[in-house]
Amino acid sequence: EAQVTQNPRYLITVTGKKLTVTCSQNMNHEYMSWYRQDPGLGLRQIYYSMNVEVTDKGDVPEGYKVSRKEKRNFPLILESPSPNQTSLYFCASNQGNTGELFFGEGSRLTVL
Amino acid sequence: DQQVKQNSPSLSVQEGRISILNCDYTNSMFDYFLWYKKYPAEGPTFLISISSIKDKNEDGRFTVFLNKSAKHLSLHIVPSQPGDSAVYFCAASSTGANNLFFGTGTRLTVIP
Repeated sequence: EAQVTQNPRYLITVTGKKLTVTCSQNMNHEYMSWYRQDPGLGLRQIYYSMNVEVTDKGDVPEGYKVSRKEKRNFPLILESPSPNQTSLYFCASNQGNTGELFFGEGSRLTVL
Repeated sequence: DQQVKQNSPSLSVQEGRISILNCDYTNSMFDYFLWYKKYPAEGPTFLISISSIKDKNEDGRFTVFLNKSAKHLSLHIVPSQPGDSAVYFCAASSTGANNLFFGTGTRLTVIP
């Protein structure tokens, strides 16, 4: 089954404690991206990757890091989480630049 | 600044009637538009798209209309079914860009 898998689905953490949200896709897609969803703001792109070792900032990259060492994986790293990073995060993948993204189920992160 | 706007946070429609969801955008460089549907605790799923060279695209019960001069698009669902109850996001992108800009979503409730 074609899918994008994120883990963890839910996480409560404290300010400053580094965490990683993993994302894996099994569709051999070149493009992968991370979005955050906040009330009244829709989904906003954090980072994207066009291929292995090729990443770039989206609209709201501050406080986040990513890496793309393998085509299927695109982890999101919060080196020192802060309460304003409390949000619902979605990983997505797509082939080419069509905009027809395949999303994971989301990871709800709470930073206390 | 929100480049894609969905001004109706919610919409209720009787089963069998038409649902019309609206979306406005401000960036004249946008040339590709998409609608995504999201159920609770799931990621958004692609529904239908339209290129700026068209003014209408139809897929079964779903039709998207694009009015470039008004920078407005709409999604028509007819007939509406209870399973259509979800949050609908409008999104837009421009050729060569690697980002989708999302609206804030409209929650559609179809009443049996």
